[in-house]
Amino acid sequence: GDSVTQMEGPVTLSEEAFLTINCTYTATGYPSLFWYVQYPGEGLQLLLKATKADDKGSNKGFEATYRKETTSFHLEKGSVQVSDSAVYFCGGDYKLSFGAGTTVTVRA
Amino acid sequence: DTGVSQDPRHKITKRGQNVTFRCDPISEHNRLYWYRQTLGQGPEFLTYFQNEAQLEKSRLLSDRFSAERPKGSFSTLEIQRTEQGDSAMYLCASSLASGREPFDYEQYFGPGTRLTVT
Repeated sequence: GDSVTQMEGPVTLSEEAFLTINCTYTATGYPSLFWYVQYPGEGLQLLLKATKADDKGSNKGFEATYRKETTSFHLEKGSVQVSDSAVYFCGGDYKLSFGAGTTVTVRA
Repeated sequence: DTGVSQDPRHKITKRGQNVTFRCDPISEHNRLYWYRQTLGQGPEFLTYFQNEAQLEKSRLLSDRFSAERPKGSFSTLEIQRTEQGDSAMYLCASSLASGREPFDYEQYFGPGTRLTVT
């Protein structure tokens, strides 16, 4: 069935380090793909999205490119801040649902 | 519009009792989803509605679970004869399905209802 597989954490980084979280999907078609973020004590918020192959979603310095050939949607940020500490979820529409989440901790 | 709201935010119940949760979606959204999230896991799809029609249910949704969206606005999720394994965060999300591309169905999540079954 349709699903996403997300890199497991936790991930601990120093400020200004490069972050990448891998996400791959299995689907019969070409679903829209999303990254959601959950800050401590808060609900899930959409971080970025891409609706078709080769689309690049970006927000708050994060980027992810929809790669049809590798069925991937990896999340990247070039220089993380302490405020980026959160749990990140890769997902698609409801059929893909969500990955297990990657907990990212950024140290000052 | 203040977004998706859920009530209650926390519920503690004894095993065997029935519980009901409410979700109020963003007013113009026609799709409403229920998910369950346990510690360390991502949200697991339970069911979704388009307007008042329940279009799909996950196999996770046992016959003790029932969801309704009678007027295509708010929705309720009822769990009968609760079990300790039902303890989880229950999330509601809504989206606007326009029927036109791109079919991205970006979902907006509520804060969740945390259920603890003792």
